[in-house]
Amino acid sequence: QSALTQPASVSGSPGQSITISCTGTGSDIGSYDLVSWYQQHPDRAPKLMIYEGTKRPSGVSIRFSGSKSGTTASLTISGLQAEDEADYYCCSYTSTSTYVFGTGTKVTVL
Amino acid sequence: EVQLVESGGGVVQPGRSLRLSCVASGFPFDDYAMHWVRQAPGKGLEWVASLSWNSVIIDYADSVRGRFTISRDNAKKSLYLQMNSLRVEDTALYYCAKLLSAALTGDGLDSWGQGTLVTVSS
Repeated sequence: QSALTQPASVSGSPGQSITISCTGTGSDIGSYDLVSWYQQHPDRAPKLMIYEGTKRPSGVSIRFSGSKSGTTASLTISGLQAEDEADYYCCSYTSTSTYVFGTGTKVTVL
Repeated sequence: EVQLVESGGGVVQPGRSLRLSCVASGFPFDDYAMHWVRQAPGKGLEWVASLSWNSVIIDYADSVRGRFTISRDNAKKSLYLQMNSLRVEDTALYYCAKLLSAALTGDGLDSWGQGTLVTVSS
């Protein structure tokens, strides 16, 4: 199973909105509404930000939203803040009952 | 508060074995599927294996299938990863993680430990 494809880096100024794409195939993103997104700050464990494609866990800011179209999922961060600077990973359940993570995107707040 | 604490990492030579443990607290461990995810130094996340609450459904990444074995002891609230025939490319920080939903396979991983570092080197 090949990793899902994400841009290596995305940047934006405080207050702006950015979107991170995550491209898979018909065997993962295209087959299930089971995409999750994780935020990881340096030397910290990943944190779940979005699950089942569009849902936010309790405690996650409403500035984070998820969507999906075909075999591409997206994470949008609105009102970008300095604390959002981190690595972000998408993840999808697959048709072989496994999980596959994305290649990761470094978000920089300018 | 959910807590997951991994242990068992260390430095090991290629071809040798290592057993990782993860002790859980703060939630009904025997209701939830559990996962292992690893991260090589400076690299991205890689899913390794998962195990259903009753140990019936087990899945592995292709990169570890046949060499790693995931197991659990619900009475001890513990998850394990037996790693055999270790390779240099297995060097990584190994996290255990809890599935968000007790009922939905494939859901997000909502709680993670801090990881245990495995270094495979001669």
